[in-house]
Amino acid sequence: DAGVIQSPRHEVTEMGQEVTLRCKPISGHDYLFWYRQTMMRGLELLIYFNNNVPIDDSGMPEDRFSAKMPNASFSTLKIQPSEPRDSAVYFCASSYRIYGYTFGSGTRLTVV
Amino acid sequence: GQQVMQIPQYQHVQEGEDFTTYCNSSTTLSNIQWYKQRPGGHPVFLIQLVKSGEVKKQKRLTFQFGEAKKNSSLHITATQTTDVGTYFCSTGNQFYFGTGTSLTVIP
Repeated sequence: DAGVIQSPRHEVTEMGQEVTLRCKPISGHDYLFWYRQTMMRGLELLIYFNNNVPIDDSGMPEDRFSAKMPNASFSTLKIQPSEPRDSAVYFCASSYRIYGYTFGSGTRLTVV
Repeated sequence: GQQVMQIPQYQHVQEGEDFTTYCNSSTTLSNIQWYKQRPGGHPVFLIQLVKSGEVKKQKRLTFQFGEAKKNSSLHITATQTTDVGTYFCSTGNQFYFGTGTSLTVIP
């Protein structure tokens, strides 16, 4: 298995632009998580899905953030419009029955 | 929300010295997980502890879950340069991560 695949690896965008981050979880995993990591706030849980259904999105900063999981093999995290304070590394992770998350390599987002 | 604090925040050790990081929760945990993140990398799952007082070992790493299931520790014996990174605890099925302990090993 290729593990959790995220794209793009790096994204530089201008303030106000829409950003879409993509994630392909490990086949067979039933949980998918989106985390954001910054020096100041550490690893923050944004949202998680169970069997493609969003369960808890209380960590999503505000309405500018949205996440979808249209099927078991794909998820997106969208930021519209983006702001400089959204600059961070965004990780997608998946797991089977919550036992140990497998993280993707992350997307480093820079909003200028 | 769930509060999980880790101490220390940073630790510098000479190669060969031991290292310990502690994870403390304000509430009782059903289980706890430990992860390692190398500089520039992503968190990698190390282990899960479930039972009160549980102790597990992986080579030079020893993981312990407190009797009250509110705290946990990771101990590394005789550190090596390959141990460099940040160690996180995670509150299992609450999905929160601790603040992490960044380990630097001086050759």
